Amino acid sequence: DIQLTQSPSFLSASLGDRVTITCRASQGISSYLAWYQQKPGKAPKLLIYAASTLQSGVPSRFSGSGSGTDFIFTISSLQPDDFATYYCQQLISYPLTFGGGTKVEIK
Amino acid sequence: EVQLVESGGGLVKPGGSLTLSCAASGFSFGSYSMNWVRQAPGKGLEWVSSISSSSYYIYYADSVKGRFTISRDNAKNSVFLQMNSLRAEDTAVYYCARYDYDDNSGWFDPWGQGTLVTVSS
Repeated sequence: DIQLTQSPSFLSASLGDRVTITCRASQGISSYLAWYQQKPGKAPKLLIYAASTLQSGVPSRFSGSGSGTDFIFTISSLQPDDFATYYCQQLISYPLTFGGGTKVEIK
Repeated sequence: EVQLVESGGGLVKPGGSLTLSCAASGFSFGSYSMNWVRQAPGKGLEWVSSISSSSYYIYYADSVKGRFTISRDNAKNSVFLQMNSLRAEDTAVYYCARYDYDDNSGWFDPWGQGTLVTVSS
């Protein structure tokens, strides 16, 4: 099984900050990585797929990069609506797996 | 509008059974693989099961293999999760999600709103 190690698990940041989350796969997954945002009591929302492709309608302050085993998710300037938990997911092989999540809170 | 709506959650005793349903609308349901993902209270996301468009390919997480069965009815635009021998650790919100893909990757979008399953005596 492919393990995804997401870090940090928690971060505290201020409005306007640049936020970076990493996701490391236990083996190469090419670009078969997606990023989701989840707010309390809500379903996850797709932000980025194929490691770096922004889903339609998602603000351009969100971005992703990486390939193989190391991936980065960035929010260029943190906005009030961005305080949430973020998950990475690999979709190259079953069982499909998620990272442990990163909760972004207001400093 | 592309939409997924889950139903069927509730309170069930350990060892009991429950069947979840997910009704799809706004897209060609029979052309897509579908998935179930769960989230225990205060925990992260856990993929549970996937079924291909024709039901030919079916996959399960080890944690539910032998107890859960995924199925679909393309004529009714619905996917199901039959859950048997339920345990306390199956308590979670269960989401259904559509699997989409291109030449370079796959992704889950959209997701349903979720249905809560509570396993407790």
